Amino acid sequence: GAGVSQTPSNKVTEKGKYVELRCDPISGHTALYWYRQSLGQGPEFLIYFQGTGAADDSGLPNDRFFAVRPEGSVSTLKIQRTERGDSAVYLCASSLFTRTGMHGYTFGSGTRLTVV
Amino acid sequence: DQQVKQNSPSLSVQEGRISILNCDYTNSMFDYFLWYKKYPAEGPTFLISISSIKDKNEDGRFTVFLNKSAKHLSLHIVPSQPGDSAVYFCAASGEKRGGGADGLTFGKGTHLIIQP
Repeated sequence: GAGVSQTPSNKVTEKGKYVELRCDPISGHTALYWYRQSLGQGPEFLIYFQGTGAADDSGLPNDRFFAVRPEGSVSTLKIQRTERGDSAVYLCASSLFTRTGMHGYTFGSGTRLTVV
Repeated sequence: DQQVKQNSPSLSVQEGRISILNCDYTNSMFDYFLWYKKYPAEGPTFLISISSIKDKNEDGRFTVFLNKSAKHLSLHIVPSQPGDSAVYFCAASGEKRGGGADGLTFGKGTHLIIQP
């Protein structure tokens, strides 16, 4: 597609439930990133995929968070047993380049997750 | 431990004048610095970047200055226009994570308001 697409744009869930957030990157972009932006903060790195594999998941806060990218395109971020502290905007980004360098990446509009 | 700091949460500038947004960092391993612009309900949009071996990069109305000895960079917008009203994030790349990936470290952002 023309840009990075994230669905849903908004998700309200009850504490303890499981949620899946989807990211459809720009066609041909091999690098895919997930970030989380809490209120009043900048985006924080969660996980990076190069192709199908998670090259770096050091930003995932705990084992309730998991992400997959089985065919090297669409990625799903999965959160189990959601907690109120998980409420944030989850941003996905993609890039042609494996090194961020001077090119940056293209972000989607994000999924606003609210855990009640 | 914030490695990228934007100490001004907001800045108000009159239309036509210069806007100067500041950013400080602590990690001398960063090799690129980037500025992103964010409108409400949209993802951050890449604006301009600078390599750590340069001290200035210019693109139209936007200029980024880097003072490596002071670990400080700034974004200058001149002349400022109403459409420039947005949140501006400073970000840095090059921090080596566990998998060698190259995620961005963001500041908390500065909300720029251009007054007519």
